[in-house]
Amino acid sequence: KNEVEQSPQNLTAQEGEFITINCSYSVGISALHWLQQHPGGGIVSLFMLSSGKKKHGRLIATINIQEKHSSLHITASHPRDSAVYICAVALHNTDKLIFGTGTRLQVFP
Amino acid sequence: ETGVTQTPRHLVMGMTNKKSLKCEQHLGHNAMYWYKQSAKKPLELMFVYSLEERVENNSVPSRFSPECPNSSHLFLHLHTLQPEDSALYLCASSQVKTSGFFTDTQYFGPGTRLTVL
Repeated sequence: KNEVEQSPQNLTAQEGEFITINCSYSVGISALHWLQQHPGGGIVSLFMLSSGKKKHGRLIATINIQEKHSSLHITASHPRDSAVYICAVALHNTDKLIFGTGTRLQVFP
Repeated sequence: ETGVTQTPRHLVMGMTNKKSLKCEQHLGHNAMYWYKQSAKKPLELMFVYSLEERVENNSVPSRFSPECPNSSHLFLHLHTLQPEDSALYLCASSQVKTSGFFTDTQYFGPGTRLTVL
């Protein structure tokens, strides 16, 4: 079992839909990252959070440390949101970063 | 140039070739990283450099040899690679504070897509 699990693996949506991507982890962490990877391969850091909730435009990330769970929400989804969304956790007490396998999102017009 | 740049963007090499990947960051960061992304596998951290010193080597085979001549440049020297080394190689940088390497935002380059024949 991976230390970082994402669900779903694949997600399709119609433009305008509200989208949720989940990340669960089984280790103690000091921070959690959400990353976006477009088809060309480039990766953009969306959020880094260690507690609570962060919002940037149409994107919202939440984390529940007690439940070892984080969610990434996209409101009013758009075809340009189509990408792979990757969750990564920074292990507590060791300088290691472990990645999930990603969630492939496709938003259709 | 802004952000993190990588060259070349694509590279095809034979198993006996020697080549190098280059990464440059224009953000004034103090740490740089090499990651490998193989098909259908999660990203893997290969090397971490802080202030030009290697801090982390995640059991990477010796056919991959990193070099960090200064805080803005990072190289990955490749020799006698295997076909299974074909992957997307990503460079990243961050400004590290005392709380650890991965508690700050990482800025990624566009990657080099490597094919080993």
